[in-house]
Amino acid sequence: EPEVTQTPSHQVTQMGQEVILRCVPISNHLYFYWYRQILGQKVEFLVSFYNNEISEKSEIFDDQFSVERPDGSNFTLKIRSTKLEDSAMYFCATVASGGAGETQYFGPGTRLLVL
Amino acid sequence: AQTVTQSQPEMSVQEAETVTLSCTYDTSESDYYLFWYKQPPSRQMILVIRQEAYKQQNATENRFSVNFQKAAKSFSLKISDSQLGDAAMYFCAYQYNNNDMRFGAGTRLTVKP
Repeated sequence: EPEVTQTPSHQVTQMGQEVILRCVPISNHLYFYWYRQILGQKVEFLVSFYNNEISEKSEIFDDQFSVERPDGSNFTLKIRSTKLEDSAMYFCATVASGGAGETQYFGPGTRLLVL
Repeated sequence: AQTVTQSQPEMSVQEAETVTLSCTYDTSESDYYLFWYKQPPSRQMILVIRQEAYKQQNATENRFSVNFQKAAKSFSLKISDSQLGDAAMYFCAYQYNNNDMRFGAGTRLTVKP
């Protein structure tokens, strides 16, 4: 069964450094999402992406964050200058056609630790 | 704003028994979707079951079923014949159209052998 993959599985970085989290969506999926989960807390929506544009973003997704699909396959989340509070698990999710109520398929996540 | 509430931070069930996880939500929409996701220790979230709000019939998926009460805005998950592999965090989620999915805080389910 096709899966969403994410790299790296773990990332440790110093505060103020830039990180790029990568996601490979299921082939032919068109909608992409990033979520984050701070340890012990609920999963929170960050941003959705369709047709090379941000569709929707939450208040968490400030100017430090950006997303792109640089090569038509990978979907990346960049945090420009990491803060301690960015430490979390980051999940990518993809949807086939973005129709209402479609199942979102989640990747295994990247655990980011900012020191 | 749509919110999802899971009032049970932790639940425990004996193997082979039945357990029900609670979820309530708040919305002004009439057409939306509800989900239960399972997050085992490996941390990848897996869809357990999905319910369309316009359908009155409760969704079922093998040992998993839901009790969807639209008027009460309640969406509980029942796990029958619980197995050790069912131990995980369970998240209830709400989605309207193709917008972002709103998650509850989760319920940690322990299955005792």
